[in-house]
Amino acid sequence: KAGVTQTPRYLIKTRGQQVTLSCSPISGHRSVSWYQQTPGQGLQFLFEYFSETQRNKGNFPGRFSGRQFSNSRSEMNVSTLELGDSALYLCASSLGVTGGELFFGEGSRLTVL
Amino acid sequence: DAKTTQPNSMESNEEEPVHLPCNHSTISGTDYIHWYRQLPSQGPEYVIHGLTSNVNNRMASLAIAEDRKSSTLILHRATLRDAAVYYCILRDVGVGGANSKLTFGKGITLSVRP
Repeated sequence: KAGVTQTPRYLIKTRGQQVTLSCSPISGHRSVSWYQQTPGQGLQFLFEYFSETQRNKGNFPGRFSGRQFSNSRSEMNVSTLELGDSALYLCASSLGVTGGELFFGEGSRLTVL
Repeated sequence: DAKTTQPNSMESNEEEPVHLPCNHSTISGTDYIHWYRQLPSQGPEYVIHGLTSNVNNRMASLAIAEDRKSSTLILHRATLRDAAVYYCILRDVGVGGANSKLTFGKGITLSVRP
């Protein structure tokens, strides 16, 4: 079956701009979570959506937001971009049940200039 | 979140077994032990998970200490494709534990020599 699809794969923005990243989960998966990966901080949890509701949130400023649609597709948005937002943003989908494994996409690499 | 401790790196020879250790002395009764790996330029990939008993799947085996304060991921025959960063993660599946919040540490970088 098709894996987790993230778009765009690469993008370049300038400080102060905003960006929207998209994630299409595996068919039948109702949970979508987002992670930020940087060389300095490693992989950090941003938030999780389950059935269109935010179920968990990491320790990131309010500039980072997300949503999930009725078809389980998810978007995350970062407003007023800062240089430190340059990172690989990873989306993961799962069934959302106890112990269910996470399936990660290949990520969207954001560069902020 | 309960924390895990892993060596920074390990080296192995191709076609030999590899034992990747993980310490989690503050593990709670509702924590599952999960292992993910991340190959270069890819997102993390699920490897295996367990609670108390040793587990086997097509990718690896997971050996869990009797007191659950440590575990070992075993790759039975390392290949060059197994070179990756391996993350040992505790995942609480207690109250509300179906959530997807994983706390990744720095992981262990496995190098495989031909």
